[in-house]
Amino acid sequence: SAVISQKPSRDICQRGTSLTIQCQVDSQVTMMFWYRQQPGQSLTLIATANQGSEATYESGFVIDKFPISRPNLTFSTLTVSNMSPEDSSIYLCSVEVSRSYEQYFGPGTRLTVT
Amino acid sequence: GNSVTQMEGPVTLSEEAFLTINCTYTATGYPSLFWYVQYPGEGLQLLLKATKADDKGSNKGFEATYRKETTSFHLEKGSVQVSDSAVYFCALTGRGGGSNYKLTFGKGTLLTVNP
Repeated sequence: SAVISQKPSRDICQRGTSLTIQCQVDSQVTMMFWYRQQPGQSLTLIATANQGSEATYESGFVIDKFPISRPNLTFSTLTVSNMSPEDSSIYLCSVEVSRSYEQYFGPGTRLTVT
Repeated sequence: GNSVTQMEGPVTLSEEAFLTINCTYTATGYPSLFWYVQYPGEGLQLLLKATKADDKGSNKGFEATYRKETTSFHLEKGSVQVSDSAVYFCALTGRGGGSNYKLTFGKGTLLTVNP
């Protein structure tokens, strides 16, 4: 398994601003993922972040809105840009361990946009 | 594409009752199947998994069997506790092609266990 931390745990932001969410893992991993969980909904994959290459975005998500960095094998950031109230969600990062197809999740960042 | 359908909640049970949460899937190839649990205010935790047909995943008294013939992965527990109250998500990971590592989730089922 892996221990994953996220910062901040929650934030309240004004529309039009941006927030960067950090994800830190206690071991080196190849695959990191970013998900969004809208209120009362399931999880939707935003993008896959591999170290040393551009993130791969899912349909409906674009780099200008959700830029991602992956500077090394233990860290990644997701920025939510030019926020609107529709961006209010929980954002979770996850990692895949040892090509096991298992993903382990961080505690999430609860974002409220006013 | 891949999809997961799980029973609508909420499910409310008394302590020591039997639990079943149904999950069926549509996928190409041979997916791995998972149950994740989300306790109030927390992130997701992997509860159990199965990687091939007829595999049974088990953990903390929960079980689920990978049934390829019925494309199902139902979650069961013989005697639930109040501490099992949470949201349960069925999920699959596609194998092969561009969807190798993508987790597809069901909508989640809220379980409340009363003392």
